[in-house]
Amino acid sequence: ILNVEQSPQSLHVQEGDSTNFTCSFPSSNFYALHWYRWETAKSPEALFVMTLNGDEKKKGRISATLNTKEGYSYLYIKGSQPEDSATYLCAFIDFGNEKLTFGTGTRLTIIP
Amino acid sequence: GAVVSQHPSRVICKSGTSVKIECRSLDFQATTMFWYRQFPKQSLMLMATSNEGSKATYEQGVEKDKFLINHASLTLSTLTVTSAHPEDSSFYICSARVPAGYEQYFGPGTRLTVT
Repeated sequence: ILNVEQSPQSLHVQEGDSTNFTCSFPSSNFYALHWYRWETAKSPEALFVMTLNGDEKKKGRISATLNTKEGYSYLYIKGSQPEDSATYLCAFIDFGNEKLTFGTGTRLTIIP
Repeated sequence: GAVVSQHPSRVICKSGTSVKIECRSLDFQATTMFWYRQFPKQSLMLMATSNEGSKATYEQGVEKDKFLINHASLTLSTLTVTSAHPEDSSFYICSARVPAGYEQYFGPGTRLTVT
């Protein structure tokens, strides 16, 4: 059983502040790491698919980094806005497997 | 982006009855669809992988006779919870994978409550 952990479980951030959270995953047999944003009553939205050690990806105010050797990825949000409030999920795929193994998510609340 | 719909969004049924949940890819063809289940405060857990035109592959511990999966076309997969019991109450969510890629696009999920 693959172990994918996210921390913190929940986070309250003042509007305008920047924040980050972590996804840790097995460092062996790595293939890809996915980040999703999941707003209540909506479908999880794909943010990033990361495959290479040292990858950095950016989408607007959100960015992510990847370290496959030590088995972690950080998601950063710069200048948080109320619309950033959501649960952020990471999911790991190991080599030779098409299945996503999800973490439990980080629930982010932006305080206006 | 790719859109996946799921119906119904919420269903309440009586113990012993069966419930069918539909997952559709609206603007792309999905040879592979996935069904997940989420219990409160837990992660999304893969139940089964559904390939168009063939039998679904179930994860360990998931009863295939209880959770019937049919993937009859490239845009539709269905999950039928047979003889539902209160312990089947959960959040069920599907995803569809784009051809030639590992990206999965998710439906909005179905909240099943068995009374």
